Amino acid sequence: NAGVTQTPKFRVLKTGQSMTLLCAQDMNHEYMYWYRQDPGMGLRLIHYSVGEGTTAKGEVPDGYNVSRLKKQNFLLGLESAAPSQTSVYFCASSNIPGTKEAFFGQGTRLTVV
Amino acid sequence: AQSVTQPDIHITVSEGASLELRCNYSYGATPYLFWYVQSPGQGLQLLLKYFSGDTLVQGIKGFEAEFKRSQSSFNLRKPSVHWSDAAEYFCAGHGSSNTGKLIFGQGTTLQVKP
Repeated sequence: NAGVTQTPKFRVLKTGQSMTLLCAQDMNHEYMYWYRQDPGMGLRLIHYSVGEGTTAKGEVPDGYNVSRLKKQNFLLGLESAAPSQTSVYFCASSNIPGTKEAFFGQGTRLTVV
Repeated sequence: AQSVTQPDIHITVSEGASLELRCNYSYGATPYLFWYVQSPGQGLQLLLKYFSGDTLVQGIKGFEAEFKRSQSSFNLRKPSVHWSDAAEYFCAGHGSSNTGKLIFGQGTTLQVKP
């Protein structure tokens, strides 16, 4: 009963490097989200997807790209990492149009030096 | 613009005391509202949700929340706090149409004194 799985759990990047965070869900949910969590700012929506092949911008999309090639996977990419992207990243999937409850992964702690 | 606001960043209560965490929302129509809890180093767990109907909703771990349309609020309450309730609490909202955005408040950190 995996739910939402994020990989990796921790990562340290140098400024300018690129990386991809993977989110996988096994609940057949249409909606998926990427958030970043910073102290005192709650969870801010980066990008989201309402179905396979679709993506949309959230509150803080700059510096990130996403892809949803398969329904169960939602990838978050950083093309050229910056120290301001040091954060904890959470992926979630949601049972829409059902209960709209979102299920979260355990998070990825990313440090950009 | 749609928004969810938690006015209190940090709250400290004594164990056994009652608790109320505030949440205000700004949506054109009645949104779907949620309260989540996050323990240190963990992901988020759903405490309760409101869609429609009875404005007082019960959740897990003894929590409840009341939806008040006139005040645009969805405050979380617990009659008697336990030390294990110390965590960060997030209020979140989703528009009633299936537009996809789930928006979170800034979070309230709860500290419980022995």
